[in-house]
Amino acid sequence: NAGVTQTPKFRILKIGQSMTLQCTQDMNHNYMYWYRQDPGMGLKLIYYSVGAGITDKGEVPNGYNVSRSTTEDFPLRLELAAPSQTSVYFCASSSGTNNYLRFFGPGTRLTVL
Amino acid sequence: EDQVTQSPEALRLQEGESSSLNCSYTVSGLRGLFWYRQDPGKGPEFLFTLYSAGEEKEKERLKATLTKKESFLHITAPKPEDSATYLCAVRRGGSEKLVFGKGTKLTVNP
Repeated sequence: NAGVTQTPKFRILKIGQSMTLQCTQDMNHNYMYWYRQDPGMGLKLIYYSVGAGITDKGEVPNGYNVSRSTTEDFPLRLELAAPSQTSVYFCASSSGTNNYLRFFGPGTRLTVL
Repeated sequence: EDQVTQSPEALRLQEGESSSLNCSYTVSGLRGLFWYRQDPGKGPEFLFTLYSAGEEKEKERLKATLTKKESFLHITAPKPEDSATYLCAVRRGGSEKLVFGKGTKLTVNP
């Protein structure tokens, strides 16, 4: 299994541009999450999904959108990028309570200039 | 509001010098305390989940313990490859969110 994969690894955006961060897992996990990690800060939950077609807001959802059309994929959309969205984004997945949030992807480092 | 405070922010050890990292937390209805290891440029790697006070878990040179207010990650005879940032997080009952601390950066010198 590849686990949780994310693309791209790095990206530089200009203010106002849009982009989609891709996340795919091959473990047939129902639960998927997007976190962001800012320097010197703890990870914060952006959005999560408990299954295909079901998504919900986390702690810091403003400026982001998600969709979950398949079990495998959970893309994160940034509309009108702002410097405050400069961060490292991690996708994670789990199958349920017994292995909650055990699998993180390698991250996407995004810079908005 | 749920909070997690990790100390120290950074710790430098000599190889073989045992020590502990602290994670103090406040959460209503703890549904799990999590420890992760994070190497530079990588995603967090799961280490342990602890669910109730008095619980302990071990993995190689690492041992995690839990009380009602804090958790400790004990590192016995560390090696340079144990150098990483260690993250602590808590989950409240009924929530899908983990609240993370800022981490402790551990450096083990040979």
